[in-house]
Amino acid sequence: QKEVEQNSGPLSVPEGAIASLNCTYSDRVSQSFFWYRQYSGKSPELIMSIYSNGDKEDGRFTAQLNKASQYVSLLIRDSQPSDSATYLCALYYGNNRLAFGKGNQVVVIP
Amino acid sequence: EAQVTQNPRYLITVTGKKLTVTCSQNMNHEYMSWYRQDPGLGLRQIYYSMNVEVTDKGDVPEGYKVSRKEKRNFPLILESPSPNQTSLYFCASSLRGGQGKAFFGQGTRLTVV
Repeated sequence: QKEVEQNSGPLSVPEGAIASLNCTYSDRVSQSFFWYRQYSGKSPELIMSIYSNGDKEDGRFTAQLNKASQYVSLLIRDSQPSDSATYLCALYYGNNRLAFGKGNQVVVIP
Repeated sequence: EAQVTQNPRYLITVTGKKLTVTCSQNMNHEYMSWYRQDPGLGLRQIYYSMNVEVTDKGDVPEGYKVSRKEKRNFPLILESPSPNQTSLYFCASSLRGGQGKAFFGQGTRLTVV
């Protein structure tokens, strides 16, 4: 199984602040990276995908990919209570396979 | 509405009693997969299917079977469930396999006693 590490514990941020999540991976061949959001008791939903080094912005979300250092991060700007969820990092490593990290819980405090 | 539908949503069963969790998608996706989600272990892939009659093992296939006789349906079969299969199960489909956006079903919470 490919390794996707999300080591940070629950992240508490005040409303309006920036939440920063990190994910490292072990497979140098991986080309496609994803962030999924999962609300408690619900199914995961895709919020960001990134395929090349650098930053990709979509609304209040920014994904950052650094293939040389093998990490991908997610920034949530102007955090809202509705952003409180678990965020799952995932990578595609070929042969139509997706590997998921264990997730990071984000709690936005009003 | 594009969706992946799983049934049942909740199931409590006894050890050894065969069960099937159904999954159906209405997006004409070729790729479908099953995951289980456990606290501290995250989402782990059980089986996946790249098209009708084409299935393959994921990372944790032991104790599970699948079939793909129609493009829209991908049932998960537990022939002889055991308590260690108590988990939250998700079915997912996507247009481009692992490279594309995965649409997840609502989940099935299975308890085996």
